[in-house]
Amino acid sequence: DVKVTQSSRYLVKRTGEKVFLECVQDMDHENMFWYRQDPGLGLRLIYFSYDVKMKEKGDIPEGYSVSREKKERFSLILESASTNQTSMYLCASSALGGDTEAFFGQGTRLTVV
Amino acid sequence: QKEVEQNSGPLSVPEGAIASLNCTYSDRGSQSFFWYRQYSGKSPELIMFIYSNGDKEDGRFTAQLNKASQYVSLLIRDSQPSDSATYLCAAGHPVGYNKLIFGAGTRLAVHP
Repeated sequence: DVKVTQSSRYLVKRTGEKVFLECVQDMDHENMFWYRQDPGLGLRLIYFSYDVKMKEKGDIPEGYSVSREKKERFSLILESASTNQTSMYLCASSALGGDTEAFFGQGTRLTVV
Repeated sequence: QKEVEQNSGPLSVPEGAIASLNCTYSDRGSQSFFWYRQYSGKSPELIMFIYSNGDKEDGRFTAQLNKASQYVSLLIRDSQPSDSATYLCAAGHPVGYNKLIFGAGTRLAVHP
């Protein structure tokens, strides 16, 4: 059974904290993605990575950074959490190729207070 | 203009009817298109993908693609209450390793 696992289901952090969201996949996928999902806005791409140590900005990278030191792990970092980063964060992975399915983790509901 | 647009709904259909979900995209270079279903509080799961013009059928689901009109649709035949969910349309971005751009989703409600 394929799996994308996010480290936390729910997180509450304070404004200004550095926050780490971790994602691990066991499918040997090249691509990994971080999205945030907000009501009425759908899934918006923050960052993606197509190889170890490689990263590309998505549509809303401001205030975020990422790290991919190993193929199976992709971390999202909020350098200084702000209340407007309260959201559902979804990690996904996919194999290379134009018609490959993206598999999603269970999501992390982050609340910044 | 958003790259992938969907009507947010809710789309309400009676049980047994055909539900028609629509999506338009702006980037003519998009090559592949995906329909995901997302139940409340859950992660998206793939229903179908399509990359050739025309129809693709899988059980009760039919995906339709018209590249000239930049239009993708999903038909659900014999709709069931268990089909009630948000349906997300995604376009495979032509540059960059199958980066998926999602629409905001259409909420479908199937009532008995």
